[in-house]
Amino acid sequence: NAGVTQTPKFQVLKTGQSMTLQCAQDMNHNSMYWYRQDPGMGLRLIYYSASEGTTDKGEVPNGYNVSRLNKREFSLRLESAAPSQTSVYFCASSDPGLAGGQQFFGPGTRLTVL
Amino acid sequence: EDQVTQSPEALRLQEGESSSLNCSYTVSGLRGLFWYRQDPGKGPEFLFTLYSAGEEKEKERLKATLTKKESFLHITAPKPEDSATYLCAVQAGSNFNKFYFGSGTKLNVKP
Repeated sequence: NAGVTQTPKFQVLKTGQSMTLQCAQDMNHNSMYWYRQDPGMGLRLIYYSASEGTTDKGEVPNGYNVSRLNKREFSLRLESAAPSQTSVYFCASSDPGLAGGQQFFGPGTRLTVL
Repeated sequence: EDQVTQSPEALRLQEGESSSLNCSYTVSGLRGLFWYRQDPGKGPEFLFTLYSAGEEKEKERLKATLTKKESFLHITAPKPEDSATYLCAVQAGSNFNKFYFGSGTKLNVKP
């Protein structure tokens, strides 16, 4: 089992460019998440999807869009990148209603916006 | 407002020097408190889940405890390979998918 995979691992964009971050999980989890991690601020939730076909805003959704393509895949899109979106992005999956409920994280995408 | 605070921000220990990391929280309706370990350049890796005050869990040199307002991660006789950032997160309220993370404690264990 690969767990949670993310592509790409690194990306450099210019202000105004767009890109899509890809995430896939093979654990048959219902819920998937996108977080950003900035120095000194911990992990902040951007969007989450509680099940296939549903998405909801988290703490910091502005400037992002998401798509839950199927149960395995959850993508994050930056339509017009800004320097403030320079960060490390983590995708995670879980079954939060079950005993345990811990999240499984991917390796991250390090994004720099110039 | 739901909040999770970790202290200290950074901790330097000598190998074998035991200590504790703190995670305090103010949330409504705690469902679970989670501890993760994060190595540089990698995603967080799950360590423990605690559900109710008084609960304790252990794994090798790590022991997590929970009270009504905070959790401690006790590290007994640490080794250099325990060096990492330790994150805590709480799951609270009616939405199972809302997790609130602290900013982490960066632990450095010197040989």
